[in-house]
Amino acid sequence: DTGVSQDPRHKITKRGQNVTFRCDPISEHNRLYWYRQTLGQGPEFLTYFQNEAQLEKSRLLSDRFSAERPKGSFSTLEIQRTEQGDSAMYLCASSLFPGKRLGDTEAFFGQGTRLTVV
Amino acid sequence: QKEVEQDPGPLSVPEGAIVSLNCTYSNSAFQYFMWYRQYSRKGPELLMYTYSSGNKEDGRFTAQVDKSSKYISLFIRDSQPSDSATYLCAMRGSNYKLTFGKGTLLTVNP
Repeated sequence: DTGVSQDPRHKITKRGQNVTFRCDPISEHNRLYWYRQTLGQGPEFLTYFQNEAQLEKSRLLSDRFSAERPKGSFSTLEIQRTEQGDSAMYLCASSLFPGKRLGDTEAFFGQGTRLTVV
Repeated sequence: QKEVEQDPGPLSVPEGAIVSLNCTYSNSAFQYFMWYRQYSRKGPELLMYTYSSGNKEDGRFTAQVDKSSKYISLFIRDSQPSDSATYLCAMRGSNYKLTFGKGTLLTVNP
């Protein structure tokens, strides 16, 4: 198992452009999470999926943000009309629910996509 | 007041020192407590998880939870330069949504 994979690792975009990030979770994991981390802060929850259903969205997720997880496998996070305040590390994590072993239900993170809006 | 408070440091120690990292929290609904390690420009790596008050040991790492005081700690024994990273405490209730501290930047000097 290669862990949670995110693509791209780094994205530089001009203000007003749309961007899309992809996350491939650990293969047996049915829960998938998106978090955002800004410099000097801990990650903040954005949204999560169980299989293909989006079960919770944070108030941080404005209308310009949309996440999907078709077929309950990989997920995409799209940001429309990017703003400089969107510059951050976008982290994807996955977990298994219910777990088979102790600790399975905890989130395992990918390496993140660093977004810079210029 | 933030739900999770963590001193951001930075913390600098000599190799071999015992490191103590701490977080306090205010939400009584938090039941599960984690420590993540994050190297520069990388994603957080799950280091320890604890589901009850008391101590949990894994090699050089010990996680301690005191729910009555709403206080958690991570101790690193015989610290190594490779331990240099940001350490994030995280916690959750039953809904699997993690709330993180700001992270403490640790440098272990050879």
